[in-house]
Amino acid sequence: EAGVVQSPRYKIIEKKQPVAFWCNPISGHNTLYWYLQNLGQGPELLIRYENEEAVDDSQLPKDRFSAERLKGVDSTLKIQPAELGDSAVYLCASSFGGAYNEQFFGPGTRLTVL
Amino acid sequence: QKEVEQNSGPLSVPEGAIASLNCTYSDRGSQSFFWYRQYSGKSPELIMFIYSNGDKEDGRFTAQLNKASQYVSLLIRDSQPSDSATYLCAVILRGAGNMLTFGGGTRLMVKP
Repeated sequence: EAGVVQSPRYKIIEKKQPVAFWCNPISGHNTLYWYLQNLGQGPELLIRYENEEAVDDSQLPKDRFSAERLKGVDSTLKIQPAELGDSAVYLCASSFGGAYNEQFFGPGTRLTVL
Repeated sequence: QKEVEQNSGPLSVPEGAIASLNCTYSDRGSQSFFWYRQYSGKSPELIMFIYSNGDKEDGRFTAQLNKASQYVSLLIRDSQPSDSATYLCAVILRGAGNMLTFGGGTRLMVKP
């Protein structure tokens, strides 16, 4: 069974540029999560989707971050414009059933903003 | 005060010893508790979850929960060098809209 797929794995951009991350969850997993992880810290939830509906998005900085999950499968997380403080690893996870049932994490996208 | 707190470590134990990892949380109404392991440069993976007071054992791992003390721990028996990783405690905080909140993690080093 294929795991959670994320791309790109690494991204280096200059500040004020836009950037997008893509996630393909495990087949059949209805819940999808985007997390941000800074070095030496635990993941912080940005947004959780139940199918195509966004729930738990209170931590998403909506002035510059946006997310979508069309057709309840793949998801895209966008930052526009990026700031220096956005440098982090962006993790996507998915689970089946209720919220926070066993989550399977993707490899993450390491973003560096110069 | 952080909502989920862990000692960042590193916690160093010799091979074969018991490693004890601790976590405290702020929300007394929390019901669900998870331990994740994260190797350097890798993504977190779930080791155990626990919902009820007491102990839950799975192989070399034992999770312990004490809701009155707002404390959850993970014991690793017969520690192996391959257990060297960061261990993340995560709690579904009712006061935060039932959102899963991670602690900062404890780095464990098992020395041969």
